Amino acid sequence: QAVVTQEPSLTVSPGGTVTLTCASSTGAVTSGHRPYWFQQKPGQAPRTLIYETGNKHSWTPARFSGSLLGGKAALTLSGAQPEDEAEYYCLLLYSGGWMFGGGTRLTVL
Amino acid sequence: EVQLVESGGGLVQPGGSLRLSCAASGFTFSSFWMHWVRQAPGKGLMWVANVKTDGSTTNYADSVKGRFTISRDNAKNVMYLQINSLRAEDTAVYYCTSLSAGTWGQGTLVTVSS
Repeated sequence: QAVVTQEPSLTVSPGGTVTLTCASSTGAVTSGHRPYWFQQKPGQAPRTLIYETGNKHSWTPARFSGSLLGGKAALTLSGAQPEDEAEYYCLLLYSGGWMFGGGTRLTVL
Repeated sequence: EVQLVESGGGLVQPGGSLRLSCAASGFTFSSFWMHWVRQAPGKGLMWVANVKTDGSTTNYADSVKGRFTISRDNAKNVMYLQINSLRAEDTAVYYCTSLSAGTWGQGTLVTVSS
């Protein structure tokens, strides 16, 4: 069974840029894994930010972007805001189903 | 307004059963694969199962295979999750979501305890 790995925690300064990554134990992450990125704040349901590698929903702030980087899926936040402090999860598709990463706790400080 | 509303959670004894429901509105429910995702207290998200647009195909996480059954009724715009042989480790908030539509419900809490 595949394991999806994210950084446990990251810190970014207000206005700064940070990249969160999502790695697969089976090898390079590709567009075929259809990477998703979600934001979750305490006590709230997850919110979808990015679907299928780099596509945004109408509600996704422009400062978030998704890509493939160095064999991983990546979520880049450019111009961090205090309200971006949250847990971020990636999700990858495998032949048997989907798998979430363990989440990255992002602190804006 | 696009909306997913889960129901059916509650307190159940180990070995018991529950049926969760997810009512959809505001979008063409029958056009989207639907998923259940759960989150144990203080833990991360775990994908549980999904069902194809017409209900003909289902997939499950290894840890729930044989105990959980996902289904849908497109005439009623509702998805279900039948959970049998409940264990303490099934205690979680269960969310329904349409990944490609980007929509999530607010979740329903299932607590397995004697």
